[in-house]
Amino acid sequence: KQEVTQIPAALSVPEGENLVLNCSFTDSAIYNLQWFRQDPGKGLTSLLLIQSSQREQTSGRLNASLDKSSGRSTLYIAASQPGDSATYLCAVKRRGNKLTFGTGTQLKVEL
Amino acid sequence: NAGVTQTPKFQVLKTGQSMTLQCAQDMNHEYMSWYRQDPGMGLRLIHYSVGAGITDQGEVPNGYNVSRSTTEDFPLRLLSAAPSQTSVYFCASSYSSAGVYGYTFGSGTRLTVV
Repeated sequence: KQEVTQIPAALSVPEGENLVLNCSFTDSAIYNLQWFRQDPGKGLTSLLLIQSSQREQTSGRLNASLDKSSGRSTLYIAASQPGDSATYLCAVKRRGNKLTFGTGTQLKVEL
Repeated sequence: NAGVTQTPKFQVLKTGQSMTLQCAQDMNHEYMSWYRQDPGMGLRLIHYSVGAGITDQGEVPNGYNVSRSTTEDFPLRLLSAAPSQTSVYFCASSYSSAGVYGYTFGSGTRLTVV
């Protein structure tokens, strides 16, 4: 059974800091990995999608890497801003088109 | 582009009542699914569909029914609501090509069963 773990569960950083969020999964037989952002009381917004054959994807200040063989992905956020405060979720897409989610990292960026 | 539209946004039910959560997408996605999100549990798959007329169970299907009569719509029916079904429900859709495409999520339905 695929299990997805995100560390840390919560993170508080000062504005301007570069930070790394971690996601690990137990079964490397994945089709892709997707990072989402969720604001309190809101839905999920897709940030980055990495296909299983790719190593990384970039969008603005965000960079996501994937090491399928070791079952790890990282989301790097450069020059963090208070507007980045949210919960970040990773999800792996597995056989049958199903997603397995981690429980998320709650990020707070302080002024 | 509307994306994935869920209605209603909020709902309060009494134990034993039934109701249908609506989900519609306008992206011609073959794959649609329902998740529930509970504190400390993450998002868990309830039911999914790989195309019109085809549905299957996810991790937590008990107490829920689905049908897929069109590509666009995938309603989730609660047969007899229980307090344990208090949760936030998300509908998601995707193209079926395995690794190329990601998922698009609706904004959620917050359900309280009293």
